[in-house]
Amino acid sequence: GDSVTQMEGPVTLSEEAFLTINCTYTATGYPSLFWYVQYPGEGLQLLLKATKADDKGSNKGFEATYRKETTSFHLEKGSVQVSDSAVYFCALRDRIWDMRFGAGTRLTVKP
Amino acid sequence: DAGITQSPRHKVTETGTPVTLRCHQTENHRYMYWYRQDPGHGLRLIHYSYGVKDTDKGEVSDGYSVSRSKTEDFLLTLESATSSQTSVYFCAISESSLDSNQPQHFGDGTRLSIL
Repeated sequence: GDSVTQMEGPVTLSEEAFLTINCTYTATGYPSLFWYVQYPGEGLQLLLKATKADDKGSNKGFEATYRKETTSFHLEKGSVQVSDSAVYFCALRDRIWDMRFGAGTRLTVKP
Repeated sequence: DAGITQSPRHKVTETGTPVTLRCHQTENHRYMYWYRQDPGHGLRLIHYSYGVKDTDKGEVSDGYSVSRSKTEDFLLTLESATSSQTSVYFCAISESSLDSNQPQHFGDGTRLSIL
């Protein structure tokens, strides 16, 4: 079945460092891909999405490109801030009712 | 923010007792979902609903039942709670669409501890 694999965390960076969180997927169809962010004590919030190959999703300085040839959707940010500390989830959706999530990657940004 | 309210936000109960969690939405979205979040597993789908009285099982449905008598409410019931059901439960909603590119929007979760 469909699945998502994320790089294991936790990830600790200094403020203004470059961030990459790797995400690869397995799907039989043509899924849409998403990144969600979860702050402590809260639910998941949509960060960005891409719905077809070569699409780039972007929001709040974060970017991810849908790479069909490598089945990847890596999350990047050029300069992280302390406020970016959270857990990040990669997800795919191939059918309306079926969203698959990665295990999550905890990011801590230190001043 | 999507209008999703989960109640209660925290609950501690004993093994063998029934537990009902409620999800209420004000967005009039057709699809509603219940997930559980456990360390190392991300979120896993328990049950979902595609309309009033229309529900189906997800990946980890054993030990759970759901009901949806109104568009805005989706209830998750643990008939006889077990310690393995200790988790954080999230409700999500999504708009009606034939496409899979619609995101899901999440509530703030219910932390359930079963002793």
